Amino acid sequence: KAGVTQTPRYLIKTRGQQVTLSCSPISGHRSVSWYQQTPGQGLQFLFEYFSETQRNKGNFPGRFSGRQFSNSRSEMNVSTLELGDSALYLCASSFETVKNRDTQYFGPGTRLTVL
Amino acid sequence: LAKTTQPISMDSYEGQEVNITCSHNNIATNDYITWYQQFPSQGPRFIIQGYKTKVTNEVASLFIPADRKSSTLSLPRVSLSDTAVYYCLVGEGNRKLIWGLGTSLAVNP
Repeated sequence: KAGVTQTPRYLIKTRGQQVTLSCSPISGHRSVSWYQQTPGQGLQFLFEYFSETQRNKGNFPGRFSGRQFSNSRSEMNVSTLELGDSALYLCASSFETVKNRDTQYFGPGTRLTVL
Repeated sequence: LAKTTQPISMDSYEGQEVNITCSHNNIATNDYITWYQQFPSQGPRFIIQGYKTKVTNEVASLFIPADRKSSTLSLPRVSLSDTAVYYCLVGEGNRKLIWGLGTSLAVNP
């Protein structure tokens, strides 16, 4: 099976712009989660989508949003970019048969730089 | 939600066995323990998962005592390519809030 793919891999934007990142999960996986990772910090959970519905949300401002399509592909959008949004954005998918033992499979990430 | 605590960093040498311990005092009855490995600028990669006693696969072993309040990831005969950050997650923790900094393992020649 093909792994999780994320596009684009690298992105440079300026403050105030908006950006859309895309994630294609592993075939058959219905859960897609997004994370932000900045230097010196662990992965910070943004949100999770399951069957086109946002199921969990982390502590990020409303500028961060996402959606999931019927084929499980997901997009996340960041509006009014700030310098602090520069980070590696990771997408993870899972099949989720049992929540407590769910295993996530991560994509390579999108490196966003805000100038 | 079970909180995990693990060392910030560890050093080792090629060929040695490395054991990374994670404490999770309030683990729930149904929670599994999962370990991930992350290289710089890449997404985390699943290593191993277990519920109790011992689990072994081709890359690592996971030891879980009877009380399940801690777990130990064991990497046999590490090489330079094992230099990475290792995360311990419990139950649904891998989908919630902050993963934490994990354990940064440096393998020296």
